[in-house]
Parts: sequence; C-alpha cells; structure tokens
Amino acid sequence: AQSVTQPDIHITVSEGASLELRCNYSYGATPYLFWYVQSPGQGLQLLLKYFSGDTLVQGIKGFEAEFKRSQSSFNLRKPSVHWSDAAEYFCAVKRQAGTALIFGKGTTLSVSS
Amino acid sequence: DVKVTQSSRYLVKRTGEKVFLECVQDMDHENMFWYRQDPGLGLRLIYFSYDVKMKEKGDIPEGYSVSREKKERFSLILESASTNQTSMYLCASNLGAPDTQYFGPGTRLTVL
Repeated sequence: AQSVTQPDIHITVSEGASLELRCNYSYGATPYLFWYVQSPGQGLQLLLKYFSGDTLVQGIKGFEAEFKRSQSSFNLRKPSVHWSDAAEYFCAVKRQAGTALIFGKGTTLSVSS
Repeated sequence: DVKVTQSSRYLVKRTGEKVFLECVQDMDHENMFWYRQDPGLGLRLIYFSYDVKMKEKGDIPEGYSVSREKKERFSLILESASTNQTSMYLCASNLGAPDTQYFGPGTRLTVL
C-alpha cells in the first residue's frame, strides 16, 4: 500500500539557520509529490510540487525540495529560516488511483531566536 | 485565486446530533474532498467526489456521509455525532489528477 513517512515529529531550528525536513514515500512508479504548510489555525497552503522533469523543485517562500528516486525521498529545504516559517509541514503523494492525496503525519517546525 | 470556503470555523455539537459541514469552491473544480486532521495522525481521507452526485469512500468513511448536489458545493454529514468525531475537518478541491488540491480553512468540530 502507498504510504508517506515523515520521520521527524518536531524540529527546532534557530532563526537564520538552514532547514531540511525529511519525507519518504512508498510507490512503484514515478510519484506526484507535494509539500504543504499549515500555519496555526489555518488550512493547508501548497509550498511546491513535483510531477516530472527537474528533480530539484523551487517553491514559494524560498523553499525547495529534491526528488531522489533511489532513496524514495522528497526532502524539503530552506537555506535560512525565518521566525514566520514556524508551522506544521506535510508531505503528500497522489494516490495511484484517482486524484486524492496520501499525507504524512506532519512535522512541526519551531524557530528559536 | 482559488477560494475554498467552509461554513464554520468552530462548531460545538452534542452526542447524537446530526451535523452538516458545508464546503464551497469558486473555481469550477471537478473534484472535492473531505479530510479529517488529528494530532499525530496527519490528514486522513473521509470521502471524495469527482462529479455532481458522484462520491467515493476514502480511508475512514464510517460514521460519515456526503452530498454533492451542485458542482461547487460538497457537504459532509455526521448522521449521529459521537465524541470520537471531535476533530479538525478540512475540505479541498482540484480540477483533476494530478492537479494541486486547494484547501479551505478548516472546521474545528467538538462533540460533547
């Protein structure tokens, strides 16, 4: 069965430091992958997505992610974190059948000053 | 900009009540979804709809039903609310696979 794993439940990063959030998926063919962010009390906002082509994907708010087929990973990165990046981050993969998504359990990012 | 709206941000209901959660999208999207979000569990798919009057069960449909009478509106119904249905409910829509899903702000439901 398809699944998405986000190994880190909670990460704390100092403001200005770099960030990497991990995401692993299980899927046979080329997956359609997404990263969403959820600020407190809000819905989910798309950060970036990978469908095909260049394996390094640029998103909004200075985020990027790299698709690595050999590692079944789609890790999210940002070179310099801002306090406003504190939120919950979800990795997702499109289901094999249909258009719905399978989400990971999320990683909560805290930013310390 | 795509806009997905949900009828209530916060809702408090009693056990056994029938509860309606409404979702409206303004971009003529074909597909609409209802997810449930719980701490430590991420988002889980309850139901989705790919056309008017069409629906498919997701991973956790028990205790829920849905209605899609118009393309822009997708309703989630809790036939007899129970305390274990206390959760955040998120609605989403998209044009088709593998298009981005756009989410509403969520309804935090508390069942007492």
